[in-house]
Parts: sequence; C-alpha cells; structure tokens
Amino acid sequence: GAGVSQSPSNKVTEKGKDVELRCDPISGHTALYWYRQSLGQGLEFLIYFQGNSAPDKSGLPSDRFSAERTGGSVSTLTIQRTQQEDSAVYLCASSLGTGGRTDTQYFGPGTRLTVL
Amino acid sequence: AQSVAQPEDQVNVAEGNPLTVKCTYSVSGNPYLFWYVQYPNRGLQFLLKYITGDNLVKGSYGFEAEFNKSQTSFHLKKPSALVSDSALYFCAVRDTRSGGYQKVTFGIGTKLQVIP
Repeated sequence: GAGVSQSPSNKVTEKGKDVELRCDPISGHTALYWYRQSLGQGLEFLIYFQGNSAPDKSGLPSDRFSAERTGGSVSTLTIQRTQQEDSAVYLCASSLGTGGRTDTQYFGPGTRLTVL
Repeated sequence: AQSVAQPEDQVNVAEGNPLTVKCTYSVSGNPYLFWYVQYPNRGLQFLLKYITGDNLVKGSYGFEAEFNKSQTSFHLKKPSALVSDSALYFCAVRDTRSGGYQKVTFGIGTKLQVIP
C-alpha cells in the first residue's frame, strides 16, 4: 500500500516569505508527527496529532510555525516569515496508534526547505 | 526526561565483517526502543523495535539489536556487513510510563560506512 507522502520534495524560498508543507499519512493511521532534521542534527520533534485530541505543539520553535490536520488525515505545516535558520529537511511520520504495538512511526521522504 | 546517546558519529567496517552501532538510553520508566535507517535523500525506514520479552530483537535486512537493561543499551548488530548497508542509523526511545502519550526521542544518528 501507499506510504507517507510529502510535497513538495524541495522548496526554495526567500527570507520573509511564508511556506506550506504538506503531508499525506498512511490511510488508517490515527497519529501524525512532524520533525525537523538539520545538517548534523538528530530529529527535532515539532508537533503531534492524535485523532481528534488537541495536538501536542510543544516542539514548535516559535509562533511562526503552525500546523493543522484536516479531517484526521492530511496535515499542513506552515512557516510564516521564513528565516535562514529554518532551512532543513522537514519529515512527516504517521503511526497506526500510540500504544506499544501500534506506535511504530513510518516516515515520508521529507521536504527539503532552503531559505535564501 | 528521556534521552538517547549514539556515541559514534561514524562507524567504518569492512564488507563481510560484523558490525555494531551503539546506542544507550535514559528513561524514567521502561523503554520502547527503536532503530531506523536513513538512506541518502530518503526518509527514515523502520528496522526493528523492542517492546518487552526477548532481549534479542530481529529486524529487517538481517539486522538485530540486543536490549540490555543493566547497561541501558540497545546496540544494533549485523553478522556480515554489506556495502548497501551504508547509511545513517538512528536509535530512538519512548518511555512507557502511564499518563498518556509519550514522545519518541531520537538520537543524532550514526553514519555507517561499509568498505568494499
């Protein structure tokens, strides 16, 4: 079956512009996660959605970052007024659930964001 | 707070030799432990996971990992390395204490280079 898909695969933008990154999780997966991967860094957790519960936004680095998940499926990560330090690969993952046997995360290919 | 340490930035091994990629963790409760692999310009792929039970976990592509509670380690191993195993490997941990969702924390990754 189809895995997690993300679009665009690459995005180049100018400092100060807004960008939207999209994630389509695996069908039937109730949990969705966004991470940021910078060169030489591990995965930085950004935000987590689970079903209809309030999202865990504790990893968002600033109020320029926001995310939503419509209809419990597709998610959009928005970065407003982009800065050069926002340049990174943004990874989306989904999992069937959040229990011990269902919380394995499956990742999309990522969106490489470059802010000039 | 939970944490993961991957003490080696890079591991070099000759093709056909056994490989080990090290991981140690810290959690308040009992851990769920994961290994993921990332090939160039790709998202992370799930390799294996420890939940409970047998300390030796077998995963994809001939990889296995051993959970050692006393040493708080979860090293990734393979008896005979292939050139195609060259990639970035991430260890991750999640605390299983009760009280709702617990985030997964990823290590910074270890680059495995298998030399022909």
